[in-house]
Amino acid sequence: EPEVTQTPSHQVTQMGQEVILRCVPISNHLYFYWYRQILGQKVEFLVSFYNNEISEKSEIFDDQFSVERPDGSNFTLKIRSTKLEDSAMYFCASSVRGQAPGELFFGEGSRLTVL
Amino acid sequence: DAKTTQPNSMESNEEEPVHLPCNHSTISGTDYIHWYRQLPSQGPEYVIHGLTSNVNNRMASLAIAEDRKSSTLILHRATLRDAAVYYCILAYSGAGSYQLTFGKGTKLSVIP
Repeated sequence: EPEVTQTPSHQVTQMGQEVILRCVPISNHLYFYWYRQILGQKVEFLVSFYNNEISEKSEIFDDQFSVERPDGSNFTLKIRSTKLEDSAMYFCASSVRGQAPGELFFGEGSRLTVL
Repeated sequence: DAKTTQPNSMESNEEEPVHLPCNHSTISGTDYIHWYRQLPSQGPEYVIHGLTSNVNNRMASLAIAEDRKSSTLILHRATLRDAAVYYCILAYSGAGSYQLTFGKGTKLSVIP
């Protein structure tokens, strides 16, 4: 069964460092997303991406965050200068459709720990 | 997004049916009812969705009240693998991106 894959599974970084989280969405999907989940809290939407552009972003997705689809398969989330509060699980997702109803396929997540 | 209300936690015995309720009294006509679940240390996983009619798939059934103000996710025979947090989410079919708003969900424990 096709799946969304994410790397790394866990990254530890120092505050102020840049981090890139990588995702390989399902190959025929056109819509891509990043969500995050701080430990013990809700899953939160960060950003959606379609046709090489950001479709929508939340208040969390400030200027420190950026997304890119550098080639035909990868989708990346960059955090320019990490803060302690960026420590969380980051989930990539993809979908065929850009609207409900339908299924978002999530990856297993990348755990980011900022020290 | 319209809000949903779910119990914080539920317990079930293994191999028994589980009914997970969700209230969504402010649902609008274009809102689809989605259920996702999150197993420990994993990403959310789609379970099922519906609009007005009851729905069945290989994972579960979704029973939707006639007035659409509530719904119930039914797991016909709970297994230990079904222990997870279950999220009831409304998503409208309209312009704009497909953004899911997760609440706290219902933590389902399955007792062997």
